Amino acid sequence: NAGVTQTPKFQVLKTGQSMTLQCAQDMNHEYMSWYRQDPGMGLRLIHYSVGAGITDQGEVPNGYNVSRSTTEDFPLRLLSAAPSQTSVYFCASSSRNIQYFGAGTRLSVL
Amino acid sequence: GQQLNQSPQSMFIQEGEDVSMNCTSSSIFNTWLWYKQEPGEGPVLLIALYKAGELTSNGRLTAQFGITRKDSFLNISASIPSDVGIYFCAGQIAAGNNRKLIWGLGTSLAVNP
Repeated sequence: NAGVTQTPKFQVLKTGQSMTLQCAQDMNHEYMSWYRQDPGMGLRLIHYSVGAGITDQGEVPNGYNVSRSTTEDFPLRLLSAAPSQTSVYFCASSSRNIQYFGAGTRLSVL
Repeated sequence: GQQLNQSPQSMFIQEGEDVSMNCTSSSIFNTWLWYKQEPGEGPVLLIALYKAGELTSNGRLTAQFGITRKDSFLNISASIPSDVGIYFCAGQIAAGNNRKLIWGLGTSLAVNP
């Protein structure tokens, strides 16, 4: 009954460090996406994928990279973290129009 | 980016009261979704609406897809403390592979026992 699993749950980085936020889903969904959530800003789409090998940019893609080598996994990479990337990150996978979310990764960049 | 107008921004009510919130858009949607987010968790789907005029219930929750396809509302009847959270509306313009959703900014609900 896993659904969408995100790791880690919490992370603190120093400016300039890199890291990968992991996302895995076991529902065989083709569509996956990454959002960031900031106070007063709602959910903003970073990148999305309509299937293995296919990714595209969302609303706020700068500073983030993604890849989709398998249907199950959709990692989000921060190559050089900046304080502006302090946020809560949610991964979602979709069946039809309904998106199912992970529990989130809370990231602080100092 | 494009966003929905969701109101009210926040509500503080007494247990047992009914709650109503709504979302409006300048664009026509073919899907409306309502999610609830509790502290420390990701959003969880409450109700999905696929047809103009559709009225759907999920327990004490009722949502409607506006007939103009540019708005939707969510009602919660006889609120209880566990209704606390942030409620988001989301709409989708196109079908098929383009499953990007447009999100409201949320309605924060507090319930006084």
